[in-house]
Amino acid sequence: DQQVKQNSPSLSVQEGRISILNCDYTNSMFDYFLWYKKYPAEGPTFLISISSIKDKNEDGRFTVFLNKSAKHLSLHIVPSQPGDSAVYFCAARAGGTSYGKLTFGQGTILTVHP
Amino acid sequence: GAGVSQSPSNKVTEKGKDVELRCDPISGHTALYWYRQSLGQGLEFLIYFQGNSAPDKSGLPSDRFSAERTGGSVSTLTIQRTQQEDSAVYLCASSTRHYGYTFGSGTRLTVV
Repeated sequence: DQQVKQNSPSLSVQEGRISILNCDYTNSMFDYFLWYKKYPAEGPTFLISISSIKDKNEDGRFTVFLNKSAKHLSLHIVPSQPGDSAVYFCAARAGGTSYGKLTFGQGTILTVHP
Repeated sequence: GAGVSQSPSNKVTEKGKDVELRCDPISGHTALYWYRQSLGQGLEFLIYFQGNSAPDKSGLPSDRFSAERTGGSVSTLTIQRTQQEDSAVYLCASSTRHYGYTFGSGTRLTVV
């Protein structure tokens, strides 16, 4: 049962344009959502997060949008840079606590072309 | 240390042998997690330690898998009688009272 799904295995974008990565979830108990970025041979690194009480969170070039009714979140990167090329995972947590397991999507490979 | 340290970085083992994977979390991080990433898959939760509480073992795929955390710090994930389907990257993460984990670089396990 895939509770967090990233339906696009890959995305290719031109440098300077917007990258939009999408994520859908099925568990209505999820109340906190995160995006991680992963380079080859490295562990994932935390990028940005959003609580279910918000619908948008911005951090520099990165913005995460949450649509609770659609159980959908997206990560926007503007402008995209070649260094953004990596695998992006969305993740979700249930339970309203600061700890506990995260449920991850399968990841989307983003390639930003110069 | 400055980050989460995992050892070994790579491990090749023969089917049926036992392996131990080690994780040194960030000092002071009370929560420690193990995940694995099989080829082409997302991160699969295995086990979670929080302070002195009983660990959440709900993600361990079989009784061949076990993990310990000694002294609230270092953790060892043990896989007994390894099978080829155990081949994956095993990732450890630690955290404090916030929502973002810090991951190690992982151990790439190959069972031949």
